[in-house]
Amino acid sequence: ETGVTQSPTHLIKTRGQQVTLRCSSQSGHNTVSWYQQALGQGPQFIFQYYREEENGRGNFPPRFSGLQFPNYSSELNVNALELDDSALYLCASSPGGAAGDTEAFFGQGTRLTVV
Amino acid sequence: DQQVKQNSPSLSVQEGRISILNCDYTNSMFDYFLWYKKYPAEGPTFLISISSIKDKNEDGRFTVFLNKSAKHLSLHIVPSQPGDSAVYFCAASARNSGNTPLVFGKGTRLSVIA
Repeated sequence: ETGVTQSPTHLIKTRGQQVTLRCSSQSGHNTVSWYQQALGQGPQFIFQYYREEENGRGNFPPRFSGLQFPNYSSELNVNALELDDSALYLCASSPGGAAGDTEAFFGQGTRLTVV
Repeated sequence: DQQVKQNSPSLSVQEGRISILNCDYTNSMFDYFLWYKKYPAEGPTFLISISSIKDKNEDGRFTVFLNKSAKHLSLHIVPSQPGDSAVYFCAASARNSGNTPLVFGKGTRLSVIA
């Protein structure tokens, strides 16, 4: 039990649609990162939010966006869904500071299928 | 280009024996390394980590070895138990360079046979 919860656990969307995934971080954790894990791959960093501001971004297009709220919850939004967006999306919550995601706890993930 | 590589997609070991999982990296800026364990339908769970100033870190049945000159690390599990069956991810971070994200390998699926 990591104290990080994600919803929904599974989701099916049609190509071209938009999706919002949600994460509830551990209380007191100011930093949340999102990772995408495609089938047969390791998790890949999408972006990180620290105190409601984007604090770093991986190699993902702008149609991937996020929000972080003061109540330790956050969202990952993906517009214009493509078939290749089908993956497990992981939220990682950490206290913040220089240690970054090396002290993060992961949620159980949301499995997104785009058809 | 993959900065963290786990070249064995799967490994099968008998219960009670040693499991050795390997990981190679290419980025010299990486200074902190972690191993995660992942069961189906769960997120990755932190297992053990090592800083680049060390060459070994031990926690119970789990030991991680780091060879900086070879840019190689390994996770040893002794003795292996059926409950260790999972996918193991190696991850690296350039922690001393600031708040940097984790870079993961593709994972190795460990099966421990009773």
